[in-house]
Amino acid sequence: AQSVTQLGSHVSVSEGALVLLRCNYSSSVPPYLFWYVQYPNQGLQLLLKYTSAATLVKGINGFEAEFKKSETSFHLTKPSAHMSDAAEYFCAVIAAAGNKLTFGGGTRVLVKP
Amino acid sequence: EPEVTQTPSHQVTQMGQEVILRCVPISNHLYFYWYRQILGQKVEFLVSFYNNEISEKSEIFDDQFSVERPDGSNFTLKIRSTKLEDSAMYFCASSESLAGAGGTQYFGPGTRLTVL
Repeated sequence: AQSVTQLGSHVSVSEGALVLLRCNYSSSVPPYLFWYVQYPNQGLQLLLKYTSAATLVKGINGFEAEFKKSETSFHLTKPSAHMSDAAEYFCAVIAAAGNKLTFGGGTRVLVKP
Repeated sequence: EPEVTQTPSHQVTQMGQEVILRCVPISNHLYFYWYRQILGQKVEFLVSFYNNEISEKSEIFDDQFSVERPDGSNFTLKIRSTKLEDSAMYFCASSESLAGAGGTQYFGPGTRLTVL
């Protein structure tokens, strides 16, 4: 069985500061990993995904994530937060050849001016 | 850019009533899904659908739930007799290929179901 843990249900950052959202997973088989973002009153939008190619994955809006197998982590970062980054972020895992996403609890990001 | 659409955006119903939530997946996609998120909880997988049949379902997806692709464009989730605990945001998603083969699931904006 797979599971995803996101540390911190809420994160507050200042505009221009580093955004770091933590995600740890457990999976009995090599996983594929995803970060989705949900803006208010909108659906889940894919930010980036890891599918066993490069361990450092670049996504949209300046976000990137690094897959670290030894730490079973897939943390999401952005060097400089923008007001428009205020949203909820979800980490998700799927087993290779599987088809259902298992989500973490989500982290809501607040960006202060 | 193609997107998944869902109707209605908000549905209010009385306990015991049947509801149908509708989704229009992206047109060339072959795999369809329903997820739900109860307020304050994680997004949970309900069911996946491929080639006109359910390919996988969770333990949540009991006999009260059913899915259908009645025509070439719509994908529906029916709850036969709603319960209070069915109140949640329901997300439809679609993908061109298996997510576990590198495919991406694209999500709709959700339908908020409130059961009174």
